Amino acid sequence: RKEVEQDPGPFNVPEGATVAFNCTYSNSASQSFFWYRQDCRKEPKLLMSVYSSGNEDGRFTAQLNRASQYISLLIRDSKLSDSATYLCVVKRGGKLIFGQGTELSVKP
Amino acid sequence: DAGVIQSPRHEVTEMGQEVTLRCKPISGHDYLFWYRQTMMRGLELLIYFNNNVPIDDSGMPEDRFSAKMPNASFSTLKIQPSEPRDSAVYFCASSFQVSGNTIYFGEGSWLTVV
Repeated sequence: RKEVEQDPGPFNVPEGATVAFNCTYSNSASQSFFWYRQDCRKEPKLLMSVYSSGNEDGRFTAQLNRASQYISLLIRDSKLSDSATYLCVVKRGGKLIFGQGTELSVKP
Repeated sequence: DAGVIQSPRHEVTEMGQEVTLRCKPISGHDYLFWYRQTMMRGLELLIYFNNNVPIDDSGMPEDRFSAKMPNASFSTLKIQPSEPRDSAVYFCASSFQVSGNTIYFGEGSWLTVV
């Protein structure tokens, strides 16, 4: 079992849809949590950090439940430009551990 | 500002050959990471350095892989001898301080071993 597990995807949604990604992590020693975005044939880039109180950045909302070891990302009013792979990431010690990623394809 | 710089961007090599991947981290960053990405296994951390010292190399697949960081501005990942299963994208990334939340990736080195 992988330390960080995500929805398998791919998710194919129409423009304007709301889409939610889920992620679970197995190591309770994980300290920090993030969502990264990776475009096709590009490097991963930080999308947002995830805090226990929940946090929002425009159309993106991230939630963390430490008790359940569960992380989520909600994208509202999805745009064509949101098409990418979304990677759930946990930090433990000095390491960033990545999930397999969930591919999102937003269609006109 | 220059980001993380990797070379070569693409390499095709024959099985058994030595491969050397290079990385220049962002100036001032004290952590450097080497990741490997494949369709099957996703992004895997191979090794990371802090202040040029290897901290955790538990992700290095086997003795054919080695990594060095002779100074704060340069690191290499070497595969000798290379095998077709080493074909992957190898990313170098750097960050500032262990508490820093953002690591910055290079554009990757796309390796194909035939």
